[in-house]
Amino acid sequence: KNEVEQSPQNLTAQEGEFITINCSYSVGISALHWLQQHPGGGIVSLFMLSSGKKKHGRLIATINIQEKHSSLHITASHPRDSAVYICAVTNRDDKIIFGKGTRLHILP
Amino acid sequence: DAMVIQNPRYQVTQFGKPVTLSCSQTLNHNVMYWYQQKSSQAPKLLFHYYDKDFNNEADTPDNFQSRRPNTSFCFLDIRSPGLGDAAMYLCATSGRSSGREGTYEQYFGPGTRLTVT
Repeated sequence: KNEVEQSPQNLTAQEGEFITINCSYSVGISALHWLQQHPGGGIVSLFMLSSGKKKHGRLIATINIQEKHSSLHITASHPRDSAVYICAVTNRDDKIIFGKGTRLHILP
Repeated sequence: DAMVIQNPRYQVTQFGKPVTLSCSQTLNHNVMYWYQQKSSQAPKLLFHYYDKDFNNEADTPDNFQSRRPNTSFCFLDIRSPGLGDAAMYLCATSGRSSGREGTYEQYFGPGTRLTVT
């Protein structure tokens, strides 16, 4: 079992829909990251969380430390949001463990 | 301003010809990481430095070496690239911010895409 699990693996939605991507982890962490990667591109850090909730524009990230679960939400989704969204955690040994990513495709 | 810089962004090398990828940071972070990411897969940790302490993952091939001459720079050397080494190579850093609160932060570089011909 992977230490970081994401769901769904693939998601296709219509423009304007509210998107939720989930991440569960099984190790002790010092931080959780949500990352975005466009096809063939590098990684862009969206959020780093250790508790609570953060918002940036149309993106919202939440984390529940007790349940070892985080969600990334996109409101009013747009085709330019199409990308792979990766959940990653930094464990107690300072290693970053990546989930396999969620491939999001927003249709116009 | 870019805080983790990787050069070059695209590198083409010949089979067996040594290649070096570079990563630099302006954050004074003490930890630097190198990851390999193949198509549609999660990034895989190759090694990381905690200050000057080098930590090699058990399954990192001997073909891959790394150097960190100072806090700001870290290099990935591939001694004899094979076709299977074609991938995106990602550098990341982590550490405390320089501000008074010294909050933990982490940044990723844009990656270097390596093609082996």
